[in-house]
Amino acid sequence: KAGVTQTPRYLIKTRGQQVTLSCSPISGHRSVSWYQQTPGQGLQFLFEYFSETQRNKGNFPGRFSGRQFSNSRSEMNVSTLELGDSALYLCASSLWAGTGQSGNTIYFGEGSWLTVV
Amino acid sequence: AQKITQTQPGMFVQEKEAVTLDCTYDTSDPSYGLFWYKQPSSGEMIFLIYQGSYDQQNATEGRYSLNFQKARKSANLVISASQLGDSAMYFCAMREIGLTGNQFYFGTGTSLTVIP
Repeated sequence: KAGVTQTPRYLIKTRGQQVTLSCSPISGHRSVSWYQQTPGQGLQFLFEYFSETQRNKGNFPGRFSGRQFSNSRSEMNVSTLELGDSALYLCASSLWAGTGQSGNTIYFGEGSWLTVV
Repeated sequence: AQKITQTQPGMFVQEKEAVTLDCTYDTSDPSYGLFWYKQPSSGEMIFLIYQGSYDQQNATEGRYSLNFQKARKSANLVISASQLGDSAMYFCAMREIGLTGNQFYFGTGTSLTVIP
């Protein structure tokens, strides 16, 4: 069973540009969530999508947006990039169904390393 | 208040020894799940072990076990027989399963170094 796939793995962008990151969840998983990880701020929740609807949103500016498609694949977009957006962006998927380990665990992709120069 | 607290920024352990990574949590939701993840330098977050709030027994997965003390709200990870490949960041996390929401909360992590 394929895991969570994130593309691209590494990218370098210039301040002011925009970037789109892609995430394909584990087959059958309808929930996709995104996290930003930096040395200074740790792991921060960006947003979560379930069946194409955004269910939860973290405390990030409107420059950060996302969407989920009917096949559960998700993209996140950051516009007008700033130096502080340099981070590891992690996508995770989950069944999000009922209780127990299988229903509640989120599984992560390898992440996308974004460097803004 | 912090939902997840990991008080050990860094830990060292001798190869083949056991090590305990501390985690305390805060929630008023009676139904929740507790998780541990490992993050090697490559960046991927690897799921290790899960403990449900209603589970009567401590979870175990191979060399990993979770010391769940509900009254103390602690969920410490025990790694037995440490290996060099265990060197990584370890994150404790919680999901409140009840009506309060579905968001995952992560701790700040503990960096574990296994010494040969």
